[in-house]
Amino acid sequence: GAVVSQHPSWVICKSGTSVKIECRSLDFQATTMFWYRQFPKQSLMLMATSNEGSKATYEQGVEKDKFLINHASLTLSTLTVTSAHPEDSSFYICSAKESGLGSNEQFFGPGTRLTVL
Amino acid sequence: DQQVKQNSPSLSVQEGRISILNCDYTNSMFDYFLWYKKYPAEGPTFLISISSIKDKNEDGRFTVFLNKSAKHLSLHIVPSQPGDSAVYFCAASATNAGNMLTFGGGTRLMVKP
Repeated sequence: GAVVSQHPSWVICKSGTSVKIECRSLDFQATTMFWYRQFPKQSLMLMATSNEGSKATYEQGVEKDKFLINHASLTLSTLTVTSAHPEDSSFYICSAKESGLGSNEQFFGPGTRLTVL
Repeated sequence: DQQVKQNSPSLSVQEGRISILNCDYTNSMFDYFLWYKKYPAEGPTFLISISSIKDKNEDGRFTVFLNKSAKHLSLHIVPSQPGDSAVYFCAASATNAGNMLTFGGGTRLMVKP
């Protein structure tokens, strides 16, 4: 089956630092990857859509200069939280959509727990 | 405005009985629906999906029913097992919107032995 990995699985950082989270599709190519954020006891909220070779599309209310997304290859997308603050502490999950027509399914990574002190 | 709603935040069921999780949506452009299971601190795991051209899809103990006129779908788990205890999210997508997923708020299912 399709496997998506995320690294790191958890990270603790000081306020003001930047944190990079990697999302990889291990056994398939993903033209499109998605980044979600989940606060405790809440649903998954789409932050942005990452397209290989082009700029990411951000959802309303998500600061593109704060959450930098790079989708440099068909198997890797990165999310960098710049100048992180305690309110950025959350569970970040990526998903990948297999390249090809008619593919509706997204495969999710295991998530990254970010704690900003 | 929540386009996908799961009105029951939690559900408790006895082992062996049926679990029914409900989901309502408002966007008539949604044409593909999915159910995910999620444990704390893990990513969602795909369970089952249904296209809007169908009204039922079955996979083992899991069956999803879609009522397009009511904009309602449900996930039936029978028989329920303690290992089914998790948070279940329904999600919807529209082909003409890039198939982005819109998630419901989730329902926590507890299956008691």
